[in-house]
Amino acid sequence: SAVISQKPSRDICQRGTSLTIQCQVDSQVTMMFWYRQQPGQSLTLIATANQGSEATYESGFVIDKFPISRPNLTFSTLTVSNMSPEDSSIYLCSVEDRTGEDGYTFGSGTRLTVV
Amino acid sequence: AQSVAQPEDQVNVAEGNPLTVKCTYSVSGNPYLFWYVQYPNRGLQFLLKYITGDNLVKGSYGFEAEFNKSQTSFHLKKPSALVSDSALYFCAVRDVFGNFNKFYFGSGTKLNVKP
Repeated sequence: SAVISQKPSRDICQRGTSLTIQCQVDSQVTMMFWYRQQPGQSLTLIATANQGSEATYESGFVIDKFPISRPNLTFSTLTVSNMSPEDSSIYLCSVEDRTGEDGYTFGSGTRLTVV
Repeated sequence: AQSVAQPEDQVNVAEGNPLTVKCTYSVSGNPYLFWYVQYPNRGLQFLLKYITGDNLVKGSYGFEAEFNKSQTSFHLKKPSALVSDSALYFCAVRDVFGNFNKFYFGSGTKLNVKP
C-alpha cells in the first residue's frame, strides 16, 4: 500500500500564527484528504484535495482558515491559519489507495498544540 | 445522514479474555462499515470491512466483526486479547450516497488489555 510521510509530526505554536503541514506520498494518487482529530473526539473530514483543482471543503471548514495546496499527484499541504487554542488537534492526511484493502491509507498525523 | 456510534469510551479486559468493542450505525441504504485501529503516534490502520456477503467478517491481527442488520450493529471482537491490542479503535461508515470517499468515524474506544 501507499506510504505517507507527514511533517511535522508535532508542533507547539503561538496563537495568531499559521502552520503548514506537509503530506508526501510515495506514489501518484488522485485524491488526498485532510482530517482533524480533536482531543477526545472523532476524526472529521476537513477537505478533499484533487490535483489541478481547488479543494472541496466540508461543512464547517473554510478555505481562509484551512488553505490547501495540491501541486502534483504526490504532495499536498494544509495550512492552519490564524491559530487559536481551539485548533489544537491531530491533523491527518489520507490518500485514496487502490492497492490497499480498504482503498485508503492514513498518515501518522501532526499533533498541533496552540498556546 | 450517515453516522456511527461507539457507546464506550474505554474497554478494559484481561489478557487472554475475549474482547468486544461496540459500534452501532445509522445509514441510508446498505452500509459500508469499517474498523480502524490507532496506536500512539501512528496513523490509522485498517482492520476489516463489511460491504456485502457473510455477516461475520475476519480481519487483521485475529480480529473479527459481526454485521447485524436488525440491531444496526457492527461490533468488533477477538477471542483472546493481547496486551499489544491496547490502542484506540474507530468504527467508521462510508458515505455511499454523498461523497463516496468520505468516512464518518465514531468517537473511538480506548481498549486497555491488562496482563
